[in-house]
Amino acid sequence: SAVISQKPSRDICQRGTSLTIQCQVDSQVTMMFWYRQQPGQSLTLIATANQGSEATYESGFVIDKFPISRPNLTFSTLTVSNMSPEDSSIYLCSVAPKGGEQYFGPGTRLTVT
Amino acid sequence: EDQVTQSPEALRLQEGESSSLNCSYTVSGLRGLFWYRQDPGKGPEFLFTLYSAGEEKEKERLKATLTKKESFLHITAPKPEDSATYLCAVRVTQGGSEKLVFGKGTKLTVNP
Repeated sequence: SAVISQKPSRDICQRGTSLTIQCQVDSQVTMMFWYRQQPGQSLTLIATANQGSEATYESGFVIDKFPISRPNLTFSTLTVSNMSPEDSSIYLCSVAPKGGEQYFGPGTRLTVT
Repeated sequence: EDQVTQSPEALRLQEGESSSLNCSYTVSGLRGLFWYRQDPGKGPEFLFTLYSAGEEKEKERLKATLTKKESFLHITAPKPEDSATYLCAVRVTQGGSEKLVFGKGTKLTVNP
């Protein structure tokens, strides 16, 4: 398994601003994943981040809105840019150390007013 | 399109009352089915992985089974601490990469 931490755990932001979420893992992993979990909805994959390469975004998500950094094998950031109330959600990062099951961080609860 | 449907959306049980949660899926190439437990305000906690029809996994009061079209999470003699949302996910290959597709979950409440 893997131990994952996220910062911040929650935040309240104003419309039009940006928030950067950090994800730290206790071991080196090749791939890190970013998800969004909206109320009453399933977890939706935003992008996959490999160290040393550009993140791969899922349909409906674009780099300008959700830029991702992956500077090393234990850390990644997701920025939610130019926020609107529709971006209010829980954002989760995950890793798959052995390529099978994924392990999730505790999440960042974002509220945009 | 790859889809995962969980039922029921919510389930209330009395302590000790056994039941099952369902996860049905329509995918082009299944490469594993995963069950997670999620408590309020926390990230999903991994429970089981199933890879082939007929496979079963057990952990305490939980048992997961898999057929070609669905998976069941059986809860035997549940306790209040089993209250959580249970998520099902399938791993599929899309566009040359693998990803997890999640259902919306079943919210389980076990009353003492």
